[in-house]
Amino acid sequence: QLVQSETEVKNPGASVKVSCKTSGYIFSAYYLHWVRQAPGQGLQWVGRINPDNGGTNLAQKFQGRVTMTRDTSISTAYMELSSLTSDDTAVYYCVRDPQGPRDYWGQGTLVTVSS
Amino acid sequence: QSVLTQPPSASGTPGQRVTMSCSGSSSSIGSNSVNWYQQRPGTAPKLVIYSNDQRPSGVPDRFSGSKSGTSASLAISGLQSEDEADYYCGAWDDSLNGSYVFGTGTKVTVL
Repeated sequence: QLVQSETEVKNPGASVKVSCKTSGYIFSAYYLHWVRQAPGQGLQWVGRINPDNGGTNLAQKFQGRVTMTRDTSISTAYMELSSLTSDDTAVYYCVRDPQGPRDYWGQGTLVTVSS
Repeated sequence: QSVLTQPPSASGTPGQRVTMSCSGSSSSIGSNSVNWYQQRPGTAPKLVIYSNDQRPSGVPDRFSGSKSGTSASLAISGLQSEDEADYYCGAWDDSLNGSYVFGTGTKVTVL
């Protein structure tokens, strides 16, 4: 099970940190990915983290603005996005095994950027 | 940005077969397997096909996938009203620093 943090409303230029608390499996054994979806738009891959060693792969678009971390003691992953603009308004999902054979998605966290 | 191209819409009546395409490149679909996701309004996506043509447990066998060269297809046979949703393809792209990319999405309407 993946449970994400609640809705966030941020001002332009601020940062947001979204959490993804996992349970029911060995946290360090599976990469966790982050995917976002702007209102009425398609899916966009943000990046992934290896919970075992903290290594990350980020989409080019987000390099320099996204930081992915994890806390193995509480089986939780985090995604922090800085220098927010209105274009970052979206639902952010964490997901385990998006490539199968079985995917597990968080419920999504709505991040709204507005002044 | 999406580097996998899908038709924006597809439709059919109940019981019909609907297909949709996903066009990529040699560094994406040409080199990696394709996955397909179903997303109903207001819900998280759900994997319906992985590794080009494999169905996750619990996905009806009405869903089938295929891949050829730099393109892939998803077919839904015996279309049902519950199949009305957005469908996205996804694949790794070796040219983008090891990024995963999604398609532009196809909205399936059951008439």
